[in-house]
Amino acid sequence: GEDVEQSLFLSVREGDSSVINCTYTDSSSTYLYWYKQEPGAGLQLLTYIFSNMDMKQDQRLTVLLNKKDKHLSLRIADTQTGDSAIYFCAESDADTGRRALTFGSGTRLQVQP
Amino acid sequence: SAVISQKPSRDICQRGTSLTIQCQVDSQVTMMFWYRQQPGQSLTLIATANQGSEATYESGFVIDKFPISRPNLTFSTLTVSNMSPEDSSIYLCSVEVIGYNEQFFGPGTRLTVL
Repeated sequence: GEDVEQSLFLSVREGDSSVINCTYTDSSSTYLYWYKQEPGAGLQLLTYIFSNMDMKQDQRLTVLLNKKDKHLSLRIADTQTGDSAIYFCAESDADTGRRALTFGSGTRLQVQP
Repeated sequence: SAVISQKPSRDICQRGTSLTIQCQVDSQVTMMFWYRQQPGQSLTLIATANQGSEATYESGFVIDKFPISRPNLTFSTLTVSNMSPEDSSIYLCSVEVIGYNEQFFGPGTRLTVL
């Protein structure tokens, strides 16, 4: 089955860039997503990328996709304390009709003032 | 996007009882899903809620334990039956809106079973 992996923890200083990495095994993944979960809250969709794209930028967020290596990253520029949260990558495979998401374990981002 | 509400937002229940969680969305959606997030863990798909027919369950989840209804395009319920402390989790519904590739999540229902 599909497998999505992330490192568990990342600590950065306020104002620095954060890079959260994700690897996946399903070569037919169609869409790859990044979600943010703050303590006690639900999941907020940050951005997503279609598998035929290499990069997507949205304000402070940059998503890079290396399809050959099945590697996805989320870069947050000028990281703020409000960015402290757990970040989940997830994938779906629309080609096989599987629209449900397979999630990684989540990366806890801690931003130090 | 879509605005998704879940009821209740949280509950504390006794072992052996059942709880029904409601999910309501303000847009017509193609797909509705139910996920579970156990404490400190990632999200695991329970089932896909199919309109007007039986839900499609993932391995490890069965209809007798997690009956699901979806009477129309914008509403679904998940029941957690005969609860035990191991069922203490956050239960989230998610939707895929017609015409979009994004999937949006409800705020979740935090369930504690004593």
